[in-house]
Parts: sequence; structure tokens; C-alpha cells
Amino acid sequence: QQQVKQSPQSLIVQKGGISIINCAYENTAFDYFPWYQQFPGKGPALLIAIRPDVSEKKEGRFTISFNKSAKQFSLHIMDSQPGDSATYFCAAIGYTGGGNKLTFGTGTQLKVEL
Amino acid sequence: DADVTQTPRNRITKTGKRIMLECSQTKGHDRMYWYRQDPGLGLRLIYYSFDVKDINKGEISDGYSVSRQAQAKFSLSLESAIPNQTALYFCATSDPTGYPRDEQFFGPGTRLTVL
Repeated sequence: QQQVKQSPQSLIVQKGGISIINCAYENTAFDYFPWYQQFPGKGPALLIAIRPDVSEKKEGRFTISFNKSAKQFSLHIMDSQPGDSATYFCAAIGYTGGGNKLTFGTGTQLKVEL
Repeated sequence: DADVTQTPRNRITKTGKRIMLECSQTKGHDRMYWYRQDPGLGLRLIYYSFDVKDINKGEISDGYSVSRQAQAKFSLSLESAIPNQTALYFCATSDPTGYPRDEQFFGPGTRLTVL
């Protein structure tokens, strides 16, 4: 059972466009929502994160929007650049049995074309 | 120098063989994790350890075992490798007291192929 659902699986955006990746969760015990970015041949690395008491968090061109009532959150990449081409994982932290752990979505492969 | 290292980086093995993947970290974190990554399935937790004396199964532990030899070392073993264990394996560490909360630091990965 996928506790964090992510879409789309892949995304192609033109340079300068907006990339949008969506995630949804069921477990109300989740209380922190990070996004990880993974370049080919590398391990994932934290990109940006949000607490559920905040509806939006912006860091540069990257923005997380969070809708607690709908149990949904999304990553927006403004002015997308070829260097943003990577795989993006949403995630959630919370007690899921056996302690607080990170649960990842299935990932979105983003390609930004010139 | 890399904070989280994994050896080997690539491994090809045959069905039935026992193999070990090793992870070392210099970040001083108590928490360590093993994940596998498969296309379309994301990152799935195999085992995790919150300190040297603590080992816990993740969502896909069948066919795997781990050993936490020291705070800095966490090894993953496949007792009898099978082809559907072909995947990219990542080790990660975290500090639960850090900010952003429990940020995980990943190694470069081990690409394992079981023939």
C-alpha cells in the first residue's frame, strides 16, 4: 500500500515553464513533508520541506503548496531550467509503526527541454 | 571527502550467491537506513537502525539482513541473491535532532545486478 502517492511519473517542460508535481497522503500521523531531488548517478538530496501548519513555502524558484484538509501537497518549479532535470521525490515523516520514518512517493522524472 | 560512502558501486552476481553491500559514514549520525530504488516504485525502506543496538525491518526486508558494526558502519546482506533483487541500493543517515527535521543524507548508491 503506497502511503504517499505521487504524480505524474514523468514530466517534460520547456525551458522557462512551470513544473508541477503533486502528492497525496492518507496517514494523518505524517507531520513533516520534504522533497528530495536526485540527479542521475547520485543519491537523493533534500531540496525543500514544509510543516503542515504552513500553506506555502518558497525557496528561490521552488515552492511547496500544502493543503492539509485535502491531504495534498505539491512542488512548483518556476522558470524551469535544463539543470532542474532530475527525479523528484515527495516524502512524509511521521509515526508509521516502529518509530518515525520517512515514506517516499514513487518519484517524478522531470526533463526540461531547451 | 564524501560523508556517506558505499562499496561496491557496481556489482554483478549470480542467483544463489551471498553478497554484502557496505556503508560507512563520517557524519556522526546515529540513524542509518538501507533503501532500494526501482523504476516506478520509488525508494523503499529495507532496514533501518536508530543506534548501534537497534535494528528494525522496513517495508521490504524479506531476503535481506543487516549488521550495524559500529555507529559509522551499516552493512546489507543478500543471503541468496535472486534476479528480482536487481536494483539500485542506497544507504542513508540522519540526525533526528537536526533541522530540517531528520534530513536524510544519501550515499552514491550501489547498482546490483543478479543474473
